[in-house]
Amino acid sequence: AQKITQTQPGMFVQEKEAVTLDCTYDTSDPSYGLFWYKQPSSGEMIFLIYQGSYDQQNATEGRYSLNFQKARKSANLVISASQLGDSAMYFCAMSVYEKLTFGTGTRLTIIP
Amino acid sequence: EAGVVQSPRYKIIEKKQPVAFWCNPISGHNTLYWYRQNLGQGPELLIRYENEEAVDDSQLPKDRFSAERLKGVDSTLKIQPAELGDSAVYLCASSSVRTGIYNEQFFGPGTRLTVL
Repeated sequence: AQKITQTQPGMFVQEKEAVTLDCTYDTSDPSYGLFWYKQPSSGEMIFLIYQGSYDQQNATEGRYSLNFQKARKSANLVISASQLGDSAMYFCAMSVYEKLTFGTGTRLTIIP
Repeated sequence: EAGVVQSPRYKIIEKKQPVAFWCNPISGHNTLYWYRQNLGQGPELLIRYENEEAVDDSQLPKDRFSAERLKGVDSTLKIQPAELGDSAVYLCASSSVRTGIYNEQFFGPGTRLTVL
């Protein structure tokens, strides 16, 4: 069975600072994908970034980067230069055989 | 390109009443998913369709939940009868192997169900 653990229920960060959201995962399957989604108050899940289990380099998408440490089974999301619009719930998820398993999420609040 | 469309956005019903949710996936996406998201939790998969075939419904409570995807496009999720514990957000997502990313799923805005 697949499991995603997000240990930070909530975080408060000053605007323009960088923030790291933690995610650890557990699977016995060697082939998997790791995702981060943002869920604003409107409810829609917005795809941010993806990392494949065989990818050698950490994924980056604009201000988002994924710190992938395979041996430690961690896939932390790093947001550089945070903005007020980054305030939302953030979910880490893992895909194995096309089944997506989500963590419980981290509520990020950016302080002006 | 239009995103995943869901309706209604909000629904309030009395317990024991039936309710149905509708989803229109992104054009050309052959895989469709229904998720339930309880308050303070991440989404949990209820059912996955490949075209019109339900290929994973292991988490669907079949005594009261049903789903269909006629012609492999739109899908309907039904609850009959609804219970208090069914209050949640029901999310629909779709994906296609042509997106270029391993199983990237695109989500709709969800239907927030409140059972009184």
